[in-house]
Amino acid sequence: GENVEQHPSTLSVQEGDSAVIKCTYSDSASNYFPWYKQELGKGPQLIIDIRSNVGEKKDQRIAVTLNKTAKHFSLHITETQPEDSAVYFCAASTYSNDYKLSFGAGTTVTVRA
Amino acid sequence: EPEVTQTPSHQVTQMGQEVILRCVPISNHLYFYWYRQILGQKVEFLVSFYNNEISEKSEIFDDQFSVERPDGSNFTLKIRSTKLEDSAMYFCASAYTDTQYFGPGTRLTVL
Repeated sequence: GENVEQHPSTLSVQEGDSAVIKCTYSDSASNYFPWYKQELGKGPQLIIDIRSNVGEKKDQRIAVTLNKTAKHFSLHITETQPEDSAVYFCAASTYSNDYKLSFGAGTTVTVRA
Repeated sequence: EPEVTQTPSHQVTQMGQEVILRCVPISNHLYFYWYRQILGQKVEFLVSFYNNEISEKSEIFDDQFSVERPDGSNFTLKIRSTKLEDSAMYFCASAYTDTQYFGPGTRLTVL
């Protein structure tokens, strides 16, 4: 089955700086890669996603890049703000598995004011 | 904006008891899922449900677990005889195609 590795496990950044989280996946059939933000006591909230026919996608301060050859994808948050502090999970899925998500282990991001 | 809802938010039960966790997915969605998250760990897939049947299940989803979509709106997860290790957050998710939206979760505590 799919195995998703995520790094780093914790990330502390100064407010205004950028944060980068990297994930690798094992199944070359995976074609959908969402990123979720989870705040304490809440469910995962989708923040951005990318499909395998695209190399990069941006939404305001958040961007995701995908390298299908190397089987890795990354989340970039620019101009970080205290409200960006949360746990971020990457995930991968494919149509052949009814899109079941395989999650990374998560990155705890702390934005220092 | 439509959202996935789950009840209860917290369920405490004794080991060996049956529990039913309830979810109301987003109304026009076709795919339904249960995931669980043990404290401090990654989110793990349990089961997917499509076209009124289980389409895939993980090793965790053994004979003690079952799912139902009894009335076209609710989606339930039943654990027949709970074990201590079933203590976790359980998340329901739904999707029209590949994009899954998660509910707020039910915290299950087995004593």
